[in-house]
Amino acid sequence: AQTVTQSQPEMSVQEAETVTLSCTYDTSESDYYLFWYKQPPSRQMILVIRQEAYKQQNATENRFSVNFQKAAKSFSLKISDSQLGDAAMYFCAYRSGAETSGSRLTFGEGTQLTVNP
Amino acid sequence: DVKVTQSSRYLVKRTGEKVFLECVQDMDHENMFWYRQDPGLGLRLIYFSYDVKMKEKGDIPEGYSVSREKKERFSLILESASTNQTSMYLCASRRQGRSGNTIYFGEGSWLTVV
Repeated sequence: AQTVTQSQPEMSVQEAETVTLSCTYDTSESDYYLFWYKQPPSRQMILVIRQEAYKQQNATENRFSVNFQKAAKSFSLKISDSQLGDAAMYFCAYRSGAETSGSRLTFGEGTQLTVNP
Repeated sequence: DVKVTQSSRYLVKRTGEKVFLECVQDMDHENMFWYRQDPGLGLRLIYFSYDVKMKEKGDIPEGYSVSREKKERFSLILESASTNQTSMYLCASRRQGRSGNTIYFGEGSWLTVV
């Protein structure tokens, strides 16, 4: 079974600075997807960024980028120029590329990010 | 925009009551999921359904059942609620196939069992 681990329960960053959230995962599959989701106080889950395992290039979405290290099974999220609105719980998630029975998302424990003004 | 609607945002139920949590999606998605979210544990999968009347157990199915009679609706049932089922419950849906990579979530249902 796949597992996802986020070893940082809480992180804080000063507004306008950069922060990196860590995520490691364990799988024996070669075809899979990795995601970072943001959950603000409203509790609505928002997709931040997605990475396909077969792509070597790291995904980027505006101020958000990932460092995908496939051999090390590491998938960290970098937030540049942090804004107050970035404060939220961040979840790392894994999904198999095999379309078997709906292909569930497996989540990490979450990292609570605080942005200080 | 895809919309996943959970009909009840906040519920308070007594121990032993039967509880229904309803979820409806409007994008004709084949796959639907129920997750439970607890502090320090992230989201854990309770059940999922890959099509109408089809269901599979997730990681923590004990004490729960589900129903999917129509494609758009996926219900989570607590046959006899217990205090350890106090939690936030999230419903999600996605389109089957590689094009359906994005999973869409509802806003969550806070359940308190007293």
